[in-house]
Amino acid sequence: SQTIHQWPATLVQPVGSPLSLECTVEGTSNPNLYWYRQAAGRGLQLLFYSVGIGQISSEVPQNLSASRPQDRQFILSSKKLLLSDSGFYLCAWSTGTGGHQPQHFGDGTRLSIL
Amino acid sequence: KNQVEQSPQSLIILEGKNCTLQCNYTVSPFSNLRWYKQDTGRGPVSLTIMTFSENTKSNGRYTATLDADTKQSSLHITASQLSDSASYICVVSESSGGSYIPTFGRGTSLIVHP
Repeated sequence: SQTIHQWPATLVQPVGSPLSLECTVEGTSNPNLYWYRQAAGRGLQLLFYSVGIGQISSEVPQNLSASRPQDRQFILSSKKLLLSDSGFYLCAWSTGTGGHQPQHFGDGTRLSIL
Repeated sequence: KNQVEQSPQSLIILEGKNCTLQCNYTVSPFSNLRWYKQDTGRGPVSLTIMTFSENTKSNGRYTATLDADTKQSSLHITASQLSDSASYICVVSESSGGSYIPTFGRGTSLIVHP
């Protein structure tokens, strides 16, 4: 069966520090991968999606970047965190024919910036 | 602009009671509509998915309906349980050039009291 792992579950970082969140998927090949941010009281916002290794599309201009070094690994990064980067970050995946619809989500990372 | 509006924003019910959550959308051209359940601090989990030709889909005590003419959907929960306490998110996808672009609602927060 397919599973998706995200870590860490929670993270507290000072303003200006770097960030690296990791997501891995098991049990499927060549998935579409997504990073979402969920702010309190707001809907999920798509940050990045990837249809293959090294292929990253950004949906919104921001302080974050994403990379896909392996087929089932997706990384969200920042060189210098801002207070506005606080939020709940979710990784998701879908099969190739799903377009940009996430089908399965990880359990997220709660990021707090101090 | 595609929009997905959910109501009510929050709802409190007693265990064993039924409830109905609403989702109105302006997404076009319509591809499909999903309802997700998101427990606090976890990622969303898909409950149902409906395409244009489907007007009802059940998953245990959860029943989703879709009226594509009025662009409305509802999620009915029967005989609520404490474990139903969660946020319920409506996601409507647009069909665009072979891909599917989702628009997320902000969710309805449901609290089930004993």
